Amino acid sequence: DAGITQSPRHKVTETGTPVTLRCHQTENHRYMYWYRQDPGHGLRLIHYSYGVKDTDKGEVSDGYSVSRSKTEDFLLTLESATSSQTSVYFCAISVSPAGYTFGSGTRLTVV
Amino acid sequence: QQQVKQSPQSLIVQKGGISIINCAYENTAFDYFPWYQQFPGKGPALLIAIRPDVSEKKEGRFTISFNKSAKQFSLHIMDSQPGDSATYFCAASIENSGYALNFGKGTSLLVTP
Repeated sequence: DAGITQSPRHKVTETGTPVTLRCHQTENHRYMYWYRQDPGHGLRLIHYSYGVKDTDKGEVSDGYSVSRSKTEDFLLTLESATSSQTSVYFCAISVSPAGYTFGSGTRLTVV
Repeated sequence: QQQVKQSPQSLIVQKGGISIINCAYENTAFDYFPWYQQFPGKGPALLIAIRPDVSEKKEGRFTISFNKSAKQFSLHIMDSQPGDSATYFCAASIENSGYALNFGKGTSLLVTP
Protein backbone atom coordinates (compact mmCIF):
# COMPACT_ATOMS: atom_id res chain seq x y z
CA ASP A 1 0.00 0.00 0.00
CA ALA A 2 1.15 3.44 -0.90
CA GLY A 3 3.11 5.19 1.85
CA ILE A 4 3.23 2.43 4.45
CA THR A 5 5.56 -0.55 4.64
CA GLN A 6 5.65 -3.41 7.11
CA SER A 7 8.62 -5.67 7.73
CA PRO A 8 9.11 -8.53 7.79
CA ARG A 9 6.20 -9.91 5.77
CA HIS A 10 6.55 -13.35 7.30
CA LYS A 11 8.34 -14.57 10.42
CA VAL A 12 8.58 -17.81 12.33
CA THR A 13 9.98 -17.57 15.83
CA GLU A 14 10.33 -19.74 18.89
CA THR A 15 8.36 -19.40 22.10
CA GLY A 16 10.05 -17.13 24.59
CA THR A 17 12.08 -15.10 22.12
CA PRO A 18 11.60 -11.37 21.62
CA VAL A 19 10.30 -10.22 18.24
CA THR A 20 10.13 -6.75 16.74
CA LEU A 21 7.90 -5.80 13.84
CA ARG A 22 8.47 -2.57 11.97
CA CYS A 23 6.06 -0.15 10.37
CA HIS A 24 7.39 2.65 8.20
CA GLN A 25 5.39 5.50 6.66
CA THR A 26 6.52 8.05 4.12
CA GLU A 27 3.61 10.48 4.55
CA ASN A 28 4.35 12.15 7.92
CA HIS A 29 1.00 11.23 9.50
CA ARG A 30 0.63 11.78 13.21
CA TYR A 31 -1.44 8.72 14.12
CA MET A 32 -0.20 5.16 13.71
CA TYR A 33 -1.73 1.90 14.92
CA TRP A 34 -0.95 -1.75 15.39
CA TYR A 35 -3.76 -4.30 15.02
CA ARG A 36 -3.81 -8.05 15.08
CA GLN A 37 -6.19 -10.10 12.97
CA ASP A 38 -7.36 -13.52 14.03
CA PRO A 39 -10.13 -15.73 12.62
CA GLY A 40 -13.37 -15.07 14.48
CA HIS A 41 -12.03 -11.97 16.19
CA GLY A 42 -11.67 -9.47 13.38
CA LEU A 43 -9.13 -6.71 13.91
CA ARG A 44 -8.17 -5.82 17.45
CA LEU A 45 -6.16 -2.78 18.46
CA ILE A 46 -2.88 -3.50 20.25
CA HIS A 47 -1.31 -0.05 20.64
CA TYR A 48 -1.44 3.26 18.88
CA SER A 49 0.68 6.39 18.69
CA TYR A 50 -0.35 10.02 18.37
CA GLY A 51 3.14 11.42 17.96
CA VAL A 52 6.82 10.83 18.59
CA LYS A 53 7.18 9.10 21.97
CA ASP A 54 3.41 9.38 22.52
CA THR A 55 1.71 6.01 22.66
CA ASP A 56 -1.31 4.40 24.29
CA LYS A 57 -2.67 0.94 24.88
CA GLY A 58 -5.42 -0.70 22.92
CA GLU A 59 -7.75 -3.58 23.61
CA VAL A 60 -5.15 -6.38 23.56
CA SER A 61 -1.89 -4.78 24.71
CA ASP A 62 -0.70 -7.40 27.22
CA GLY A 63 2.60 -8.92 26.10
CA TYR A 64 3.29 -6.16 23.60
CA SER A 65 5.23 -2.92 23.73
CA VAL A 66 5.71 -0.19 21.16
CA SER A 67 8.10 2.61 20.43
CA ARG A 68 8.05 5.61 18.16
CA SER A 69 11.30 7.55 18.11
CA LYS A 70 10.68 9.08 14.68
CA THR A 71 7.45 10.15 13.00
CA GLU A 72 7.92 7.64 10.22
CA ASP A 73 8.62 4.51 12.28
CA PHE A 74 6.38 2.62 14.71
CA LEU A 75 7.81 -0.56 16.20
CA LEU A 76 5.86 -3.37 17.84
CA THR A 77 7.77 -5.69 20.17
CA LEU A 78 6.62 -9.00 21.54
CA GLU A 79 8.68 -9.16 24.69
CA SER A 80 8.56 -12.96 25.02
CA ALA A 81 6.61 -14.53 22.19
CA THR A 82 3.90 -17.06 23.00
CA SER A 83 1.86 -19.32 20.73
CA SER A 84 -1.22 -17.16 21.41
CA GLN A 85 0.55 -14.33 19.62
CA THR A 86 0.58 -16.25 16.36
CA SER A 87 -1.41 -13.90 14.17
CA VAL A 88 -1.39 -11.49 11.26
CA TYR A 89 -0.28 -8.06 12.38
CA PHE A 90 -1.35 -4.93 10.55
CA CYS A 91 0.00 -1.45 10.89
CA ALA A 92 -2.17 1.49 9.88
CA ILE A 93 -1.91 5.24 9.55
CA SER A 94 -4.80 7.63 9.94
CA VAL A 95 -5.20 9.83 6.90
CA SER A 96 -8.61 11.16 8.03
CA PRO A 97 -11.00 10.45 10.94
CA ALA A 98 -12.09 7.16 9.42
CA GLY A 99 -9.65 6.82 6.60
CA TYR A 100 -7.00 4.41 7.66
CA THR A 101 -4.40 3.15 5.23
CA PHE A 102 -3.26 -0.32 6.21
CA GLY A 103 0.02 -2.00 5.49
CA SER A 104 0.17 -5.39 3.82
CA GLY A 105 0.56 -7.21 7.12
CA THR A 106 3.11 -9.42 8.86
CA ARG A 107 2.26 -13.07 9.32
CA LEU A 108 3.89 -14.19 12.57
CA THR A 109 4.07 -17.80 13.65
CA VAL A 110 5.30 -18.67 17.15
CA VAL A 111 6.35 -22.31 17.47
CA GLN B 1 -15.75 -6.85 24.89
CA GLN B 2 -16.71 -6.36 21.27
CA GLN B 3 -17.96 -2.81 20.92
CA VAL B 4 -19.27 -3.36 17.41
CA LYS B 5 -21.27 -6.46 16.62
CA GLN B 6 -21.44 -7.59 13.01
CA SER B 7 -23.64 -10.11 11.24
CA PRO B 8 -23.77 -12.40 9.42
CA GLN B 9 -20.40 -14.08 9.76
CA SER B 10 -20.63 -15.33 6.19
CA LEU B 11 -22.86 -14.61 3.24
CA ILE B 12 -23.40 -16.18 -0.17
CA VAL B 13 -25.16 -14.11 -2.82
CA GLN B 14 -25.80 -14.75 -6.48
CA LYS B 15 -24.37 -12.40 -9.07
CA GLY B 16 -26.71 -9.45 -9.50
CA GLY B 17 -28.24 -9.83 -6.07
CA ILE B 18 -28.13 -7.53 -3.06
CA SER B 19 -25.67 -8.22 -0.25
CA ILE B 20 -26.62 -6.86 3.15
CA ILE B 21 -24.32 -6.78 6.17
CA ASN B 22 -25.48 -5.42 9.51
CA CYS B 23 -23.68 -3.87 12.47
CA ALA B 24 -24.78 -2.69 15.89
CA TYR B 25 -23.03 -0.65 18.54
CA GLU B 26 -23.65 0.40 22.14
CA ASN B 27 -21.38 3.38 22.69
CA THR B 28 -23.33 6.51 21.73
CA ALA B 29 -20.08 8.49 21.73
CA PHE B 30 -19.08 6.87 18.44
CA ASP B 31 -19.21 9.51 15.74
CA TYR B 32 -17.71 7.89 12.67
CA PHE B 33 -18.69 4.63 11.02
CA PRO B 34 -16.56 3.28 8.17
CA TRP B 35 -16.68 0.04 6.24
CA TYR B 36 -13.54 -1.75 5.10
CA GLN B 37 -13.06 -4.37 2.40
CA GLN B 38 -10.30 -6.94 2.59
CA PHE B 39 -9.11 -9.36 -0.06
CA PRO B 40 -7.02 -12.42 0.87
CA GLY B 41 -3.41 -11.57 1.63
CA LYS B 42 -4.06 -7.83 1.67
CA GLY B 43 -4.69 -5.21 4.28
CA PRO B 44 -8.22 -3.83 4.71
CA ALA B 45 -9.10 -0.86 2.49
CA LEU B 46 -11.62 1.87 3.23
CA LEU B 47 -14.78 1.37 1.22
CA ILE B 48 -17.26 3.95 2.46
CA ALA B 49 -17.93 5.87 5.69
CA ILE B 50 -20.76 7.79 7.34
CA ARG B 51 -21.32 10.19 10.22
CA PRO B 52 -24.40 9.86 12.49
CA ASP B 53 -25.97 13.09 11.25
CA VAL B 54 -26.67 11.38 7.92
CA SER B 55 -29.10 8.48 7.49
CA GLU B 56 -27.76 7.18 4.20
CA LYS B 57 -24.70 7.50 2.01
CA LYS B 58 -24.28 6.01 -1.43
CA GLU B 59 -21.14 5.53 -3.49
CA GLY B 60 -21.70 3.61 -6.68
CA ARG B 61 -23.13 0.20 -5.84
CA PHE B 62 -22.32 0.57 -2.13
CA THR B 63 -24.74 2.19 0.33
CA ILE B 64 -24.54 2.69 4.08
CA SER B 65 -27.83 2.99 5.94
CA PHE B 66 -27.60 4.45 9.44
CA ASN B 67 -30.23 4.28 12.18
CA LYS B 68 -29.06 6.40 15.11
CA SER B 69 -31.99 5.60 17.42
CA ALA B 70 -31.49 1.86 16.97
CA LYS B 71 -27.69 2.18 17.07
CA GLN B 72 -27.41 0.14 13.91
CA PHE B 73 -25.88 0.60 10.50
CA SER B 74 -25.68 -1.59 7.47
CA LEU B 75 -23.85 -1.99 4.18
CA HIS B 76 -25.83 -2.76 1.04
CA ILE B 77 -24.03 -3.92 -2.09
CA MET B 78 -26.33 -3.62 -5.07
CA ASP B 79 -25.86 -5.74 -8.20
CA SER B 80 -23.25 -7.85 -6.39
CA GLN B 81 -20.41 -9.10 -8.57
CA PRO B 82 -17.93 -11.99 -8.15
CA GLY B 83 -15.20 -9.36 -7.74
CA ASP B 84 -16.98 -8.17 -4.58
CA SER B 85 -16.13 -11.48 -2.92
CA ALA B 86 -14.07 -10.41 0.09
CA THR B 87 -14.27 -9.93 3.83
CA TYR B 88 -16.08 -6.81 4.98
CA PHE B 89 -15.57 -5.09 8.31
CA CYS B 90 -17.68 -2.42 9.89
CA ALA B 91 -16.03 -0.14 12.42
CA ALA B 92 -16.71 2.78 14.71
CA SER B 93 -14.55 5.47 16.24
CA ILE B 94 -14.64 8.49 18.48
CA GLU B 95 -12.96 11.37 16.73
CA ASN B 96 -11.31 12.86 19.80
CA SER B 97 -9.84 9.58 21.06
CA GLY B 98 -7.06 9.18 18.53
CA TYR B 99 -9.36 7.94 15.79
CA ALA B 100 -8.80 4.39 17.07
CA LEU B 101 -11.20 2.17 15.19
CA ASN B 102 -13.25 -0.53 16.87
CA PHE B 103 -13.92 -3.24 14.31
CA GLY B 104 -16.65 -5.82 13.97
CA LYS B 105 -15.56 -9.42 13.52
CA GLY B 106 -16.05 -9.36 9.78
CA THR B 107 -18.33 -10.90 7.16
CA SER B 108 -16.98 -13.20 4.48
CA LEU B 109 -18.94 -12.51 1.30
CA LEU B 110 -18.99 -14.91 -1.63
CA VAL B 111 -20.74 -13.83 -4.81
CA THR B 112 -21.43 -16.81 -7.07
CA PRO B 113 -21.53 -16.48 -10.88
